[in-house]
Amino acid sequence: GQNIDQPTEMTATEGAIVQINCTYQTSGFNGLFWYQQHAGEAPTFLSYNVLDGLEEKGRFSSFLSRSKGYSYLLLKELQMKDSASYLCAALNTGNQFYFGTGTSLTVIP
Amino acid sequence: DVKVTQSSRYLVKRTGEKVFLECVQDMDHENMFWYRQDPGLGLRLIYFSYDVKMKEKGDIPEGYSVSREKKERFSLILESASTNQTSMYLCASRPTGTEGRVPQHFGDGTRLSIL
Repeated sequence: GQNIDQPTEMTATEGAIVQINCTYQTSGFNGLFWYQQHAGEAPTFLSYNVLDGLEEKGRFSSFLSRSKGYSYLLLKELQMKDSASYLCAALNTGNQFYFGTGTSLTVIP
Repeated sequence: DVKVTQSSRYLVKRTGEKVFLECVQDMDHENMFWYRQDPGLGLRLIYFSYDVKMKEKGDIPEGYSVSREKKERFSLILESASTNQTSMYLCASRPTGTEGRVPQHFGDGTRLSIL
C-alpha cells in the first residue's frame, strides 16, 4: 500500500532554519515532490528528488534517502511569507501521486 | 506558464442535486487529475485520466464520475450530491512521456458546500 507521513504542525521564528520531515512507503517509487500551499490557494511546486542526496534551490533544499523512505524539506532564513502548508507527495511508476496530510508551518516574528 | 482553470471558486448545492465541476488546462497535457482536500486527510485522488475518453479510479471514486471528451477539459460529476461531499476540490494536469521530475500543475480549487 501507500503511506505518507509528515508532522501536522510546526512553528519557527523569522530568520531561523526549519526542517520538515516526510516518510513514505510506496510501490514503484518514481520520485518525491514538495509543494507549498498558502491558505485558499493552489499548491505550487517547490522541489523534486529521485536520487539520494540533497537538492538546493535558493533558500529551500530537499533531501532524499530511498533506502530509508525518508525526505525532508529545509527552509533557511525564514520569512513571514513562508507561513503555509507544505505537502509531501510520492510519485509511483503508474503516474499516481500520493500526498501526505501536509505540514502547517507558522513563522513568528 | 501552465494555466489550469476551474470553473468556480465557490459553489453551494443541495443534497441530491447533480453537480458538475469543470477544469480546463491550456498546455496540451495528456494527464489530468481530480482530488479532494479535507483537513487532516490531505489530498486524496478521486479519478485521473491519461488521455481523451480514458479514465482511471483513484482512491475514493465512490459517488463520483468523470468525463474527458476533449484533451483540455476534465469534468468531475457528483451524481447525487451528499453532505459528506462538502470539500475543496482540486484539479491538476501533467504531461506524459517526460522524465519524472515534471510536477503537477494545480487549479485554484473549488470550495463546494452541499446543504
